[in-house]
Amino acid sequence: DAKTTQPTSMDCAEGRAANLPCNHSTISGNEYVYWYRQIHSQGPQYIIHGLKNNETNEMASLIITEDRKSSTLILPHATLRDTAVYYCIVSLPGGGSNYKLTFGKGTLLTVNP
Amino acid sequence: DTGVSQNPRHKITKRGQNVTFRCDPISEHNRLYWYRQTLGQGPEFLTYFQNEAQLEKSRLLSDRFSAERPKGSFSTLEIQRTEQGDSAMYLCASSVAGGRDEQYFGPGTRLTVT
Repeated sequence: DAKTTQPTSMDCAEGRAANLPCNHSTISGNEYVYWYRQIHSQGPQYIIHGLKNNETNEMASLIITEDRKSSTLILPHATLRDTAVYYCIVSLPGGGSNYKLTFGKGTLLTVNP
Repeated sequence: DTGVSQNPRHKITKRGQNVTFRCDPISEHNRLYWYRQTLGQGPEFLTYFQNEAQLEKSRLLSDRFSAERPKGSFSTLEIQRTEQGDSAMYLCASSVAGGRDEQYFGPGTRLTVT
């Protein structure tokens, strides 16, 4: 799997947008970008994934640059419950022969009141 | 609650003892994964089942570790002759092959080896 680089930590004010960057300069053409988060003492939770187009769901938006070497996860209105470690993962889709997720250390997002 | 359950949630054992953890995936999910997470690190892949077949084992899974998924339903992870280095959170996840590719994680079993 391609490696990703994320900042160790970030802060965000409650109610503001949280923009979490991820670099994945060695991503291959058929690899997707996945985002998971892990709230303290819980298992990781899927957020969103995409290949090259921007994606949006009820939790977040994913912006992938045109060259696919980096992406940004956007939480539009962060709440205190969004405080968690956010993992950016590059992987082949699970429907293919690859299936395991390779987690890095992620970004600890702290949402402040 | 993702629908994936793990038991026990916490286990304290003495070095050299055997321990077994159980994972109950979401019922219609045919893929099941085990990960291990140590303090300050992201989860690390251990092994993977599709239905009852164990299709891959990480090199992290030494001979003291064994995982089963009889009948393609729940799974067990056994650690024999535990060592202090086995202390970690053991996470189970499940997914649907060919689905939206997201893995649903359980709350984990925290193992402490004294």
